[in-house]
Amino acid sequence: ETGVTQTPRHLVMGMTNKKSLKCEQHLGHNAMYWYKQSAKKPLELMFVYSLEERVENNSVPSRFSPECPNSSHLFLHLHTLQPEDSALYLCASAWLTSGSYEQFFGPGTRLTVL
Amino acid sequence: GENVEQHPSTLSVQEGDSAVIKCTYSDSASNYFPWYKQELGKRPQLIIDIRSNVGEKKDQRIAVTLNKTAKHFSLHITETQPEDSAVYFCAAKRSNDYKLSFGAGTTVTVRA
Repeated sequence: ETGVTQTPRHLVMGMTNKKSLKCEQHLGHNAMYWYKQSAKKPLELMFVYSLEERVENNSVPSRFSPECPNSSHLFLHLHTLQPEDSALYLCASAWLTSGSYEQFFGPGTRLTVL
Repeated sequence: GENVEQHPSTLSVQEGDSAVIKCTYSDSASNYFPWYKQELGKRPQLIIDIRSNVGEKKDQRIAVTLNKTAKHFSLHITETQPEDSAVYFCAAKRSNDYKLSFGAGTTVTVRA
């Protein structure tokens, strides 16, 4: 698959579990993003990795921990989540220095916390 | 930070009619305004965008207008078709930033 891929596509976990979401972009981009998408709400930016700088939304709980080992891979580590964390988690990437700000999204991981 | 409001939250139109979605933004430093379309079960995809030095942009049946003074921008879809049924998100980006602030989305349903 080309573009932005995410695994797994669906995840069900208990509140005591630890899991990780993976995102990979095959577009040569230099920025990657994690978003949370809940019903009837704006896409909520959680974390950005851009040009080796990490920016985070201060409202994101510490039970979410991002990792970006290189410009093509992004992880979201999850631990002791709450039922209200159930949502679609979208990864996106962009090439910031091209003058185009288009973000390319992955298909998302549908997370259910029991 | 930037705050983007989007209206309406749902919109039902008869096939062939036009659809209009409106967004307002709060930060006058914003200079880039994209629109994303998300079909059911699929990822959001950019359909059109506009920069602050332009007042209107068209691409076939879709157009976007920007009023910098009033800080609002709108998406216009003409001659709607069933494949236009989706959730549409507006967004804004400040000139010194690389993050997008999204609206809450508009669910558009085109009735056959």
